[in-house]
Amino acid sequence: GAGVSQSPSNKVTEKGKDVELRCDPISGHTALYWYRQSLGQGLEFLIYFQGNSAPDKSGLPSDRFSAERTGGSVSTLTIQRTQQEDSAVYLCASSLVWRSSYNEQFFGPGTRLTVL
Amino acid sequence: GDSVTQMEGPVTLSEEAFLTINCTYTATGYPSLFWYVQYPGEGLQLLLKATKADDKGSNKGFEATYRKETTSFHLEKGSVQVSDSAVYFCALSVRSNAGGTSYGKLTFGQGTILTVHP
Repeated sequence: GAGVSQSPSNKVTEKGKDVELRCDPISGHTALYWYRQSLGQGLEFLIYFQGNSAPDKSGLPSDRFSAERTGGSVSTLTIQRTQQEDSAVYLCASSLVWRSSYNEQFFGPGTRLTVL
Repeated sequence: GDSVTQMEGPVTLSEEAFLTINCTYTATGYPSLFWYVQYPGEGLQLLLKATKADDKGSNKGFEATYRKETTSFHLEKGSVQVSDSAVYFCALSVRSNAGGTSYGKLTFGQGTILTVHP
């Protein structure tokens, strides 16, 4: 079976533009997570979904960041009016269940975002 | 809040050397502990896990023991190989009670770059 896929793999944009990052989780995985990996901040949690709802959005750094998930599958992370500090690798992960004593998260390869 | 602290890197070793990467944590609830590895050009992969105190996680010759008394989860390997060169992340996710469920989100350490030379 296919793993978690993300697109695009690389995105270069100009400051102030909007970008959309896509994540395709492993089929059947009900939980989906977004993380950000940057030099200054390491790996940070952004948001997770259980089905189409997002019980925890606490990691989104500002209101320029939003995410949605449709059909319990594909998720899109949108960054509006991008800033240079948004440059990072955005990672998506999925897991079979959310509420579990242990739920292995499977990570995608990431989208490297560069804001000029 | 919850946090994970890893030893500063990078770490450079010769093949067959002994490896230790220190990891300590603070957690508000009952943490499950993980080591993830990121090989060059690849995504994050779970290396090993431990879900309660005194559990030992192991995989591919790596081991880590969940030490509640010292809030630590140090990664060890007796004899490293060139193929072990990667970035290693210690992480936790927290349950609200001992028998309870996980919030799911992972809190990561800063990562430790390991380079093994032949």
